Amino acid sequence: EPEVTQTPSHQVTQMGQEVILRCVPISNHLYFYWYRQILGQKVEFLVSFYNNEISEKSEIFDDQFSVERPDGSNFTLKIRSTKLEDSAMYFCASTLEDGGGTEAFFGQGTRLTVV
Amino acid sequence: KQEVTQIPAALSVPEGENLVLNCSFTDSAIYNLQWFRQDPGKGLTSLLLIQSSQREQTSGRLNASLDKSSGRSTLYIAASQPGDSATYLCAVRTYNNNDMRFGAGTRLTVKP
Repeated sequence: EPEVTQTPSHQVTQMGQEVILRCVPISNHLYFYWYRQILGQKVEFLVSFYNNEISEKSEIFDDQFSVERPDGSNFTLKIRSTKLEDSAMYFCASTLEDGGGTEAFFGQGTRLTVV
Repeated sequence: KQEVTQIPAALSVPEGENLVLNCSFTDSAIYNLQWFRQDPGKGLTSLLLIQSSQREQTSGRLNASLDKSSGRSTLYIAASQPGDSATYLCAVRTYNNNDMRFGAGTRLTVKP
């Protein structure tokens, strides 16, 4: 069964360093998303991406964050200068299309720890 | 702004019991509602998707219902098993938004 894959599963980084989280969405899906979950809190939306551009972003997704689809398969989230409060589980998701009938598939997540 | 609430926050039941998890949302203008399972420290596994025009969906021992007008969904788990122990999340996709809003989840423990 097709799945969304994320790498690495766990990343530890020092405050102020740049990190890139990687995702391979399901191959025929057109819409891509990043969400995060701080320990003990709700899953929160960060950004959605379609047709090689951001379609929507939350207030969390500030100038420290960027997303890219560098080739036909990868979708990346970059955090330019990490802060302690960026420590969270980051989930990538993809959907085939937009709208009511579309099911979102999530990856297994990357646990980011900023020290 | 869409707010999603799940009750109860935690639930512990003996094996074999049927149970109901609740999800409520404040804005009824939704595209769909999706139920997920999350094991500790793991990702989100999709269980059921209910489109706004549907009343319920079934998959094996799981049945999800949707009452859009009252802003409620329930996830019914029949004949619970210890392997069902996990956190169950509901998420709604609202019209004119390209994101999903999640509830905080219900942490289910099924005791052997």
